[in-house]
Amino acid sequence: DGGITQSPKYLFRKEGQNVTLSCEQNLNHDAMYWYRQDPGQGLRLIYYSQIVNDFQKGDIAEGYSVSREKKESFPLTVTSAQKNPTAFYLCASSTLGTSAQETQYFGPGTRLLVL
Amino acid sequence: DQQVKQNSPSLSVQEGRISILNCDYTNSMFDYFLWYKKYPAEGPTFLISISSIKDKNEDGRFTVFLNKSAKHLSLHIVPSQPGDSAVYFCAASSSNTGKLIFGQGTTLQVKP
Repeated sequence: DGGITQSPKYLFRKEGQNVTLSCEQNLNHDAMYWYRQDPGQGLRLIYYSQIVNDFQKGDIAEGYSVSREKKESFPLTVTSAQKNPTAFYLCASSTLGTSAQETQYFGPGTRLLVL
Repeated sequence: DQQVKQNSPSLSVQEGRISILNCDYTNSMFDYFLWYKKYPAEGPTFLISISSIKDKNEDGRFTVFLNKSAKHLSLHIVPSQPGDSAVYFCAASSSNTGKLIFGQGTTLQVKP
């Protein structure tokens, strides 16, 4: 049963604390993405990775870090430098075709709240 | 600078009628467009897509229309069902980047 899993579903962060959100996929997709959704807004790209051990900043990368040590995994760390981390975080993955017209498939999301 | 815009935050239609969700874009380099459906506290689910070489794509009750000259696309749902009630996002990408740019979303409510 292929898909994308994210954990935990809810995460609480204290001031000054780093937290890591997990994203795993068993779809054999090359590319993985992290988005943030705020109320009334669309999804904004934080980081993406098209190949293992390589990743690029998206539109709102400040205060976040990622790693891509395995094809299946793309964890996101929300650092203490991110001043407004409360949001719904979504992980996605896609194949990488020659046309780049690839559909991204999303995980169930993680809600991050600041205590 | 919002490259993809969904100007209607919400839409309400009666069950069985047509739902039309609209999306406008500004970047003429976009050549692939997608619609996603999202329930609260869940990830978006892919619905339907269209390449810029086409002007229409149909999948069951869902049809997407693309008007390149107007930089406008729309999603038609016929007939609308209460289970279609959700937030709908349009998204666009260009072949040279592959990155998806999302609109703000439109909340559809289908009344029984």
